Amino acid sequence: KAGVTQTPRYLIKTRGQQVTLSCSPISGHRSVSWYQQTPGQGLQFLFEYFSETQRNKGNFPGRFSGRQFSNSRSEMNVSTLELGDSALYLCASSLWSPAGELFFGEGSRLTVL
Amino acid sequence: AQSVAQPEDQVNVAEGNPLTVKCTYSVSGNPYLFWYVQYPNRGLQFLLKYITGDNLVKGSYGFEAEFNKSQTSFHLKKPSALVSDSALYFCAVSSNRDGYNKLIFGAGTRLAVHP
Repeated sequence: KAGVTQTPRYLIKTRGQQVTLSCSPISGHRSVSWYQQTPGQGLQFLFEYFSETQRNKGNFPGRFSGRQFSNSRSEMNVSTLELGDSALYLCASSLWSPAGELFFGEGSRLTVL
Repeated sequence: AQSVAQPEDQVNVAEGNPLTVKCTYSVSGNPYLFWYVQYPNRGLQFLLKYITGDNLVKGSYGFEAEFNKSQTSFHLKKPSALVSDSALYFCAVSSNRDGYNKLIFGAGTRLAVHP
C-alpha cells in the first residue's frame, strides 16, 4: 500500500512569489491535514480537509490556503511568500475515525530567498 | 488552549538501558495523546496513542507510554534502548472539543542512544 506522497520534495522561491504544494493521501483515507515545521516554532497545524471541506484551521494568515479534491488529493497554497515561510510542510492522511493515527508524508521543504 | 510540554531538549541513554521521554499536556475536554518519531529529513512516524481505557499503552518498536490523568502526563518509555532508537520524538495532543485531527505538538525531544 503506497504511503502519503508529497510533491515537490524541495523547492526554492523568492519573496513575493506564490507556491502550491501537493499531497496524495493513502488510498481510502479521506482526511488530509497539513502542518508546518520550523526550527523556531516547531510543528504547527495549518488545516484539515475531509470530503473536500475544510474541517479545521490553525492560526495562520489568509495567505495560507488549501483545498481537497474529490479523489481526496489535497493542495496547499501560500501567496506573497515571506522569508519566514521557509519550512518543511508536512501532509498527513487518516481514516475518518476519532483520533485515528495520522500517516505523514516526507514533506516539502520550501526555501524562500 | 491546548498545549504540550516536553521539558527535555535531549535525552542521553546508553544502549541496553531503559529510557524515558517526558511529556505533559493541557487540554479542554477529553485528551487524545500520541507519540511520533522523526528521523532526519523524514516525515513523522506514529508510535502509539492513548484514547481511553488502560493507562499503559503499548506501541511500535517496543515502546510504551503511561497515561497519568492526575499529573496530566504521558511519558514514553522503553525497557532497553537501541542505538537505532536515536531520533527526534514528539508528543502530541488533540481533543474532542477542538477536533480529533488537530494535533498540538510538543517541541520535541532528541533521543541519543550511545553504544
